[in-house]
Amino acid sequence: KAGVTQTPRYLIKTRGQQVTLSCSPISGHRSVSWYQQTPGQGLQFLFEYFSETQRNKGNFPGRFSGRQFSNSRSEMNVSTLELGDSALYLCASSSGGLNNEQFFGPGTRLTVL
Amino acid sequence: AQSVTQLGSHVSVSEGALVLLRCNYSSSVPPYLFWYVQYPNQGLQLLLKYTSAATLVKGINGFEAEFKKSETSFHLTKPSAHMSDAAEYFCAVSGVNDYKLSFGAGTTVTVRA
Repeated sequence: KAGVTQTPRYLIKTRGQQVTLSCSPISGHRSVSWYQQTPGQGLQFLFEYFSETQRNKGNFPGRFSGRQFSNSRSEMNVSTLELGDSALYLCASSSGGLNNEQFFGPGTRLTVL
Repeated sequence: AQSVTQLGSHVSVSEGALVLLRCNYSSSVPPYLFWYVQYPNQGLQLLLKYTSAATLVKGINGFEAEFKKSETSFHLTKPSAHMSDAAEYFCAVSGVNDYKLSFGAGTTVTVRA
């Protein structure tokens, strides 16, 4: 069974630009969560989608948004990039029930110059 | 809100020695608890999870953790460290009605030959 895939793996952008990251969950999984990992703030929850609906949202500004498609693939978008948005963005998929194990992808490393 | 605290940002052990990583949780009701491992340039891999079925939880790669309600702890142990255990370890918690994970700050394990 294929794991969670994220594209691209590495991305370099400049301040003010916008970026879209993609995540393909494990086949059959309907929940996709996004996390931001930085050396200073650690791992922080961004949002979670289940069956195309945002079910949970973390404490991030509105510049961070996401969506999920009918095939459960998800994208997250960051607009008006800031230097502080440089991070590893991790996607995790699960079947969607409470306490279900989350399977993580390898992440997308975003660098904002 | 659920939260976890990992004691010690860096642990150094000799090969063959006991590995002990500490995690304390903050919750008014027993939560769901997890330990994840992250190798360089990779996503997170689940080592084990506590879901109230048993207080002593065995995971992959010889790791185990014990849930102690009286101490609000969920420490991770491995009797004999191997060089391949060098990685960063994260304790995480989710609430009984929660779909997101809240992570600790992480503990980096170094294994000395």
